[in-house]
Amino acid sequence: ETGVTQSPTHLIKTRGQQVTLRCSSQSGHNTVSWYQQALGQGPQFIFQYYREEENGRGNFPPRFSGLQFPNYSSELNVNALELDDSALYLCASSAKTSGVETQYFGPGTRLLVL
Amino acid sequence: RKEVEQDPGPFNVPEGATVAFNCTYSNSASQSFFWYRQDCRKEPKLLMSVYSSGNEDGRFTAQLNRASQYISLLIRDSKLSDSATYLCVVIIGSSNTGKLIFGQGTTLQVKP
Repeated sequence: ETGVTQSPTHLIKTRGQQVTLRCSSQSGHNTVSWYQQALGQGPQFIFQYYREEENGRGNFPPRFSGLQFPNYSSELNVNALELDDSALYLCASSAKTSGVETQYFGPGTRLLVL
Repeated sequence: RKEVEQDPGPFNVPEGATVAFNCTYSNSASQSFFWYRQDCRKEPKLLMSVYSSGNEDGRFTAQLNRASQYISLLIRDSKLSDSATYLCVVIIGSSNTGKLIFGQGTTLQVKP
């Protein structure tokens, strides 16, 4: 209903591997943000992209990287996976609702690192 | 100190009760404020924006006190379907390019 989709829905990886998570938002949503949500915690901001350029970054190491494409899709890449990377990864794209810019979340990708 | 702090709960209340959640934020440069709702194993969904003048949407009332850096959410006449985690969210910077800072969330369980 938000028009934001993510794939895959679930993923299992082992320590040291690399993973790519994908997000697709509605046409015209120029801003996409990625968040990590560990169990029992609120989502933590990873980074944001605006018109294909990184536009802000949270307290995450460089092995977390991203891309945004002209077709309003984006990727989150994580290298050298660690056990603590196990979490729900959410992307959110921005749209104006009643004059206020609002972020709408996709359903998330659940990543388990063994 | 966390940038956004909430009492994690859980709050266990009977149907029909009135329940209030509080949230404090540390950055006085915070520009925009929201409450999101997150159901178990689902993504957060916007519940309502929060304004200094206070705003109401049906059974839900949100208040902002900038001087005290405090946000509240009041739910009247609780329904079973209100059971969820309520996330307090602050944006530092403009709302279209700022990052969302989430609190830990407050869990509400409404019992029959």
